[in-house]
Amino acid sequence: AQTVTQSQPEMSVQEAETVTLSCTYDTSESDYYLFWYKQPPSRQMILVIRQEAYKQQNATENRFSVNFQKAAKSFSLKISDSQLGDAAMYFCAYRSAILVETSGSRLTFGEGTQLTVNP
Amino acid sequence: NAGVTQTPKFRILKIGQSMTLQCTQDMNHNYMYWYRQDPGMGLKLIYYSVGAGITDKGEVPNGYNVSRSTTEDFPLRLELAAPSQTSVYFCASSYSGLGVTQYFGPGTRLLVL
Repeated sequence: AQTVTQSQPEMSVQEAETVTLSCTYDTSESDYYLFWYKQPPSRQMILVIRQEAYKQQNATENRFSVNFQKAAKSFSLKISDSQLGDAAMYFCAYRSAILVETSGSRLTFGEGTQLTVNP
Repeated sequence: NAGVTQTPKFRILKIGQSMTLQCTQDMNHNYMYWYRQDPGMGLKLIYYSVGAGITDKGEVPNGYNVSRSTTEDFPLRLELAAPSQTSVYFCASSYSGLGVTQYFGPGTRLLVL
């Protein structure tokens, strides 16, 4: 079974600065997908960024980028020019790329990192 | 464009009561999921469905039941509620296929006293 570990329960950053959230995972599979989800106080789960394991290029979405190290099984999220609205709980998640009709495409989540943005 | 909707938003149950959490999606997604999120924790999969009439257990299915009679609806049934089921419940859906994002509902907060 796959596991996802987020070793930083809490992080803080000054507004306009850069912060990196860590995520490691364990899997025996060679093809998979990794996600970062943001959960603000409203509890809504919002997709931030997605990475396909077969792609060597790191995904980027505006101020959000990842550092995907497949051999190290590491998937960190970098938030540049942090804004007050970035304050939230951030979850790293794993999804197998093996498409099995009876298995769906379930996500395995880490325990989250609470990000505080200081003005 | 409603996406994934869940009702109710919040509910208090007494120990031993039963209830059904409703989930509906209007995106014609084949796959649907129920997760629970305990305080300060990540989400854990309760049940999932790959299509109407097909459901299966996730990581933490005990105390729950599901059904999927239509593509749109995926209700979660709690029988004999226990304090350990106090949690926030999320429904999600995705289209079948690889590399496709799961879309989450707004969650249902359940308190069992």
